[in-house]
Amino acid sequence: GNSVTQMEGPVTLSEEAFLTINCTYTATGYPSLFWYVQYPGEGLQLLLKATKADDKGSNKGFEATYRKETTSFHLEKGSVQVSDSAVYFCALESGNTGKLIFGQGTTLQVKP
Amino acid sequence: NAGVTQTPKFRVLKTGQSMTLLCAQDMNHEYMYWYRQDPGMGLRLIHYSVGEGTTAKGEVPDGYNVSRLKKQNFLLGLESAAPSQTSVYFCASTRSLQGTGELFFGEGSRLTVL
Repeated sequence: GNSVTQMEGPVTLSEEAFLTINCTYTATGYPSLFWYVQYPGEGLQLLLKATKADDKGSNKGFEATYRKETTSFHLEKGSVQVSDSAVYFCALESGNTGKLIFGQGTTLQVKP
Repeated sequence: NAGVTQTPKFRVLKTGQSMTLLCAQDMNHEYMYWYRQDPGMGLRLIHYSVGEGTTAKGEVPDGYNVSRLKKQNFLLGLESAAPSQTSVYFCASTRSLQGTGELFFGEGSRLTVL
């Protein structure tokens, strides 16, 4: 079945450091891929998405490229801020069902 | 803008008690979902609805029931709560199934079953 695997956390970085959070997936067909972010005490919010191979999603300085050959969708940011501290979830949607399959989440803590 | 509103936000139950979580959205969305979030396991889909009067099972439906009598509301019920149902529950909704994947989430309901 479809699944999403994220790197283990927590990830602790200093402000202005480079961020990578790895995400790989298993799916039949050609799923759409997403990154959601959950700030403390809040629900999840869509951060970025990519709907086909080689697409790059970007938002708020974050980027992720849909790599079909490596079944990956790694999240990157060139310079993190304290305000980026949150839990990040990779997810996929297969077949236009509206049902998302989430990874286990990766906690990011950015220190000043 | 209210968006997706969940009530209650916190609840403590004893084993065997029943309760209902209410999700209300004011965006006229067709599709609604209930997820549970557990440490190290991400979010798992419990039940979902593709429109008023419809419901369907997700990945982990056992022990839960749902109803969608009105388009804007999606209720999640626990008939006989168990400690394994201690979790944070999230409701989400979306307008379209065109592969946009943008679910709008509520702030969550933290349930503890003793």
